[in-house]
Amino acid sequence: RKEVEQDPGPFNVPEGATVAFNCTYSNSASQSFFWYRQDCRKEPKLLMSVYSSGNEDGRFTAQLNRASQYISLLIRDSKLSDSATYLCVVNGGSYIPTFGRGTSLIVHP
Amino acid sequence: GAVVSQHPSRVICKSGTSVKIECRSLDFQATTMFWYRQFPKKSLMLMATSNEGSKATYEQGVEKDKFLINHASLTLSTLTVTSAHPEDSSFYICSAKGGTYEQYFGPGTRLTVT
Repeated sequence: RKEVEQDPGPFNVPEGATVAFNCTYSNSASQSFFWYRQDCRKEPKLLMSVYSSGNEDGRFTAQLNRASQYISLLIRDSKLSDSATYLCVVNGGSYIPTFGRGTSLIVHP
Repeated sequence: GAVVSQHPSRVICKSGTSVKIECRSLDFQATTMFWYRQFPKKSLMLMATSNEGSKATYEQGVEKDKFLINHASLTLSTLTVTSAHPEDSSFYICSAKGGTYEQYFGPGTRLTVT
């Protein structure tokens, strides 16, 4: 089983839709979790941290489920500009980050 | 968010030459810097972890003599690709971490070896 797994997609959704991604991790000792966004041929940019209590930032909501070892990202009211690859990052006990392979989102008019 | 710069952004070199890539944290002290490479439409692959003042820790399968990493200060790490070959052509990205758990990425360096 890979350390961090994501459905690569692509998720193809119309503008205004709500879309959710999950990311599972295998190391139960993982300490911190993040979602990054990567546009084509660009570097990843931090989207949001994922806290045990959940985290909401505008249209984006991230949640952590330690019991089932997954994190999720919910995007409401999708915009065309949300089209990107969303990377899940998990820091293990040594704080070395492990990236998922990313989930591709395409928002169409 | 914090700012990390990377230089050069693009480099084309001939096979057999060496290329140095710089990664700088501009507005914070980076206790740890990470070096990644990414092939087209593939995920980021961690190459090595670099802590200031100590030797880098390389991931399995990454040749430390080929990819020389130096982290001489809290704001600068360098990656030197020695005796580059066409298969080393890739997108190299650094990231830096300060006192928090978040990483901040440089804009990347696209290396093409001819």
